[in-house]
Amino acid sequence: AQRVTQPEKLLSVFKGAPVELKCNYSYSGSPELFWYVQYSRQRLQLLLRHISRESIKGFTADLNKGETSFHLKKPFAQEEDSAMYYCALHPGAGSYQLTFGKGTKLSVIP
Amino acid sequence: DTGVSQDPRHKITKRGQNVTFRCDPISEHNRLYWYRQTLGQGPEFLTYFQNEAQLEKSRLLSDRFSAERPKGSFSTLEIQRTEQGDSAMYLCASGVGYEQYFGPGTRLTVT
Repeated sequence: AQRVTQPEKLLSVFKGAPVELKCNYSYSGSPELFWYVQYSRQRLQLLLRHISRESIKGFTADLNKGETSFHLKKPFAQEEDSAMYYCALHPGAGSYQLTFGKGTKLSVIP
Repeated sequence: DTGVSQDPRHKITKRGQNVTFRCDPISEHNRLYWYRQTLGQGPEFLTYFQNEAQLEKSRLLSDRFSAERPKGSFSTLEIQRTEQGDSAMYLCASGVGYEQYFGPGTRLTVT
């Protein structure tokens, strides 16, 4: 069975500081990894998908299969980045469910 | 199309009552998912539909839970004989491929 671990419940950084939200996964196959974000009083929304290798709102994430990690990074945090961030794993063909981590609350201090 | 919608947004019910939630997906999405989220946890998968066919169900989905998507458009999730442990946010998502787009959720409180 797949598992996603986000070791930090809360991460506080100062505005302009670099941000790294950690995500580790366990799965024996070749999964797809996602980051979802939930801003205050808004719905969960897709931020990044590893396969697209995009940078969204300055965030990037690289899939490291050797370390089974998919950490989310941003070089300079902004106040509007304060939100709840969830890492999610899709196992690929044969299953349809996303497995989410417990989430990390990012707080950017002005 | 303003995205996935869910109704009601909040539901308070007494233990033992039945409740039904509705989800309207994004119109061109053939895939529809239900998740449950409790405080301090990420969403947990409940069930998946492709068009009208229910193709995957989680072990979390006890026999008190049933979901339908009769015409491959909207979906309903019914919980019979609610228990206090059913109190949670129920999320619906729709999508194509592996990407999923979430609705605002229905918050259920069982008293």
